[in-house]
Amino acid sequence: ETGVTQSPTHLIKTRGQQVTLRCSSQSGHNTVSWYQQALGQGPQFIFQYYREEENGRGNFPPRFSGLQFPNYSSELNVNALELDDSALYLCASSSPTLGVHSGANVLTFGAGSRLTVL
Amino acid sequence: QQQVKQSPQSLIVQKGGIPIINCAYENTAFDYFPWYQQFPGKGPALLIAIRPDVSEKKEGRFTISFNKSAKQFSLHIMDSQPGDSATYFCAASRSNDYKLSFGAGTTVTVRA
Repeated sequence: ETGVTQSPTHLIKTRGQQVTLRCSSQSGHNTVSWYQQALGQGPQFIFQYYREEENGRGNFPPRFSGLQFPNYSSELNVNALELDDSALYLCASSSPTLGVHSGANVLTFGAGSRLTVL
Repeated sequence: QQQVKQSPQSLIVQKGGIPIINCAYENTAFDYFPWYQQFPGKGPALLIAIRPDVSEKKEGRFTISFNKSAKQFSLHIMDSQPGDSATYFCAASRSNDYKLSFGAGTTVTVRA
């Protein structure tokens, strides 16, 4: 069983540019979430996709957008990059759960894409 | 607005010691409280989770204590080992909600 894979692992952009980050979900997982983790902070929820539609969104501006494809893989797009967008972007996949986790959003994270905006 | 507050920011213990990480939440609708462990260069991984209907849960050397009236919960790492050195995040969510609210993280260093 493969885990969550993300690409690229590192990238550097300049302010105002656009970036696309990619994520392949774990086998059998139909839901993908994206989180932003600033240095020294916990992950912050950006949005979640289920059945190719956005299923919830955190406190991020519209220049953060995403896609989910029929194979459950996903993209995160960020337009008009700002210096504060520099962070580790984490993709996480999930599926319906049982037991203590029943009804909960149990996330399997990828290793992330480290974005630096200069 | 940070919905889950975590402390301390970092701690160092000797091998065999018991690091304790504390978290507090405000939203009484939260009913799922997981802990995630993150090693350098890796994404966070689910470690253990608890529901508010129990006051304690143990899985191996990891124990969660939960105080519903105080809206606080904590992670204890028994007989800590150097391999436990990592950053630990508490989190909270409501059932069937799509997002987890994470604490800021605690970096634990276990010295041999």
